[in-house]
Amino acid sequence: DSGVTQTPKHLITATGQRVTLRCSPRSGDLSVYWYQQSLDQGLQFLIQYYNGEERAKGNILERFSAQQFPDLHSELNLSSLELGDSALYFCASSVDGIGGQPQHFGDGTRLSIL
Amino acid sequence: AQTVTQSQPEMSVQEAETVTLSCTYDTSESNYYLFWYKQPPSRQMILVIRQEAYKQQNATENRFSVNFQKAAKSFSLKISDSQLGDTAMYFCAFMSTNAGNMLTFGGGTRLMVKP
Repeated sequence: DSGVTQTPKHLITATGQRVTLRCSPRSGDLSVYWYQQSLDQGLQFLIQYYNGEERAKGNILERFSAQQFPDLHSELNLSSLELGDSALYFCASSVDGIGGQPQHFGDGTRLSIL
Repeated sequence: AQTVTQSQPEMSVQEAETVTLSCTYDTSESNYYLFWYKQPPSRQMILVIRQEAYKQQNATENRFSVNFQKAAKSFSLKISDSQLGDTAMYFCAFMSTNAGNMLTFGGGTRLMVKP
């Protein structure tokens, strides 16, 4: 058990809909990362937050947004969903976001778009 | 931008034997970190080992060790005394110290340990 909690584990929805994925980092970790794992794109970094502030952005679509709340949990919002958004979405956390800190991953949310 | 390449999509090894998974990367940075993550069929991402680029000594974690060749930009993972539980996808990952701390992953190597 990594200590990172992601909910829900599975999500099935239709094109055009909006969903919210939730992540609670390990106790004491201030930095949260979101990754997308798909068959065609592999594992890709989406966005990082550190203590409530956006720290880095990767290949995140404009239809996607995220935030980190004062209690350090994070949410990833996906809107106007398309078939290609079907993927496994991981949240990871690290102590302070300083270089080299290992990231500990949650179990992921499997998103299926029908 | 950094790229990470794992040239072996699939590998197999007999239980108790040793196997080496390859990884190469491309970067212009001198200070960075490298990781190997394991993803078993349960799909969890489990940290296997971590290497700091400024340390010449190769990292080891029990049966797992790396061969880090900085000049060649190579970072291979050696698994000794392979066990059935080592069956998984293995991902090599690069972490820059410049732009956030995101991980850039390779495409993965699927390892099957055979009894």
